[in-house]
Amino acid sequence: GAGVSQSPSNKVTEKGKDVELRCDPISGHTALYWYRQSLGQGLEFLIYFQGNSAPDKSGLPSDRFSAERTGGSVSTLTIQRTQQEDSAVYLCASSLDRPSAQNQPQHFGDGTRLSIL
Amino acid sequence: DQQVKQNSPSLSVQEGRISILNCDYTNSMFDYFLWYKKYPAEGPTFLISISSIKDKNEDGRFTVFLNKSAKHLSLHIVPSQPGDSAVYFCAATYNGANNLFFGTGTRLTVIP
Repeated sequence: GAGVSQSPSNKVTEKGKDVELRCDPISGHTALYWYRQSLGQGLEFLIYFQGNSAPDKSGLPSDRFSAERTGGSVSTLTIQRTQQEDSAVYLCASSLDRPSAQNQPQHFGDGTRLSIL
Repeated sequence: DQQVKQNSPSLSVQEGRISILNCDYTNSMFDYFLWYKKYPAEGPTFLISISSIKDKNEDGRFTVFLNKSAKHLSLHIVPSQPGDSAVYFCAATYNGANNLFFGTGTRLTVIP
């Protein structure tokens, strides 16, 4: 079956530009997450969507970052006025249930590698 | 404040031998632990997990051990195979959390 799909796979843009990253979760998965991995670092949590509930935005590093999830499926992560420190791999994951539900691990997409010049 | 730590950035092991990857955590609320494996240019893939009510979970060549008193877990791979060469991430969470907390990863190289 189809896994988590992310696009684009690579994005190079100039500092100050806005970017939009897209995530298609696994069909039927109610939970969707965004993480980012900077060079040499672990995965850093950004935002969590669960069904129709208000998202947990506690991991977003600044107000330049926002995300939405339309119709409980596709999600877009938007970074406005990009800075060089935004360069990272942005990973999307989905799961059937809440994050701590055992035996329901998060499934990750292959990520978008974002480079800010 | 890194709550999950993988202090060894890399590990090299001969094919057929045992690989032991270590992970330490600081948050005593964590009650569920996972290992993910990541190949270059791919997303992490789930490997194995363990609940805090257990101290061992085995799946084929992979075994995860949990020592709650030491806040330490380890992943054993035996026998190691060249295809196991990847970056391994330890992750943890707790009931009510909205995300996984990840370590910085250990790059395993299995030498043929």
